[in-house]
Amino acid sequence: AQSVTQLDSHVSVSEGTPVLLRCNYSSSYSPSLFWYVQHPNKGLQLLLKYTSAATLVKGINGFEAEFKKSETSFHLTKPSAHMSDAAEYFCVVSLSRSQGNLIFGKGTKLSVKP
Amino acid sequence: DSGVTQTPKHLITATGQRVTLRCSPRSGDLSVYWYQQSLDQGLQFLIQYYNGEERAKGNILERFSAQQFPDLHSELNLSSLELGDSALYFCASSGTDPSTDTQYFGPGTRLTVL
Repeated sequence: AQSVTQLDSHVSVSEGTPVLLRCNYSSSYSPSLFWYVQHPNKGLQLLLKYTSAATLVKGINGFEAEFKKSETSFHLTKPSAHMSDAAEYFCVVSLSRSQGNLIFGKGTKLSVKP
Repeated sequence: DSGVTQTPKHLITATGQRVTLRCSPRSGDLSVYWYQQSLDQGLQFLIQYYNGEERAKGNILERFSAQQFPDLHSELNLSSLELGDSALYFCASSGTDPSTDTQYFGPGTRLTVL
């Protein structure tokens, strides 16, 4: 069965410092993995997507994530946080090969201090 | 703007009532997904339609039903509403291959049951 665990419910960083949001997954096959972001009172926006091509995936707004099969991890990073990055971030795994339904992690709330 | 539209944006109703949420997918997308986001359950997949036919079911209650019309818009019907149904309901759409295509999310409908 597919599942995803976000290791931190809340991460706080200072503006200009690196961001690391951790995600571990469980899948019975090579999964499709995603990071989505949700700003307050907004919908979900796709940050990046891994589908078994390059293991380092670059997304929007300077975010990237590295797929590590040996560690079953898909951590999200950004070299330098910006105030506008404050939001909730969801690590997501695709449920099955034939269907696209997604399983969401519980989310990590990122706070950015000035 | 993802290209997925949802109406209404907010809905306030009473217990026992029935409501209909509407979703229009991105132009050309054949798959529509419905998700529920609540404080206690997080983001959960409810149901998927592909080109008018039900493709997959998740944690959808029997009081809830959905359909996708020939013009590909979808409606989620919620009946005999309970306080616990208060949540943010998202619709997402994807292209012709649900297993690989990215899901784009609408802005959501916030349902409040009083």
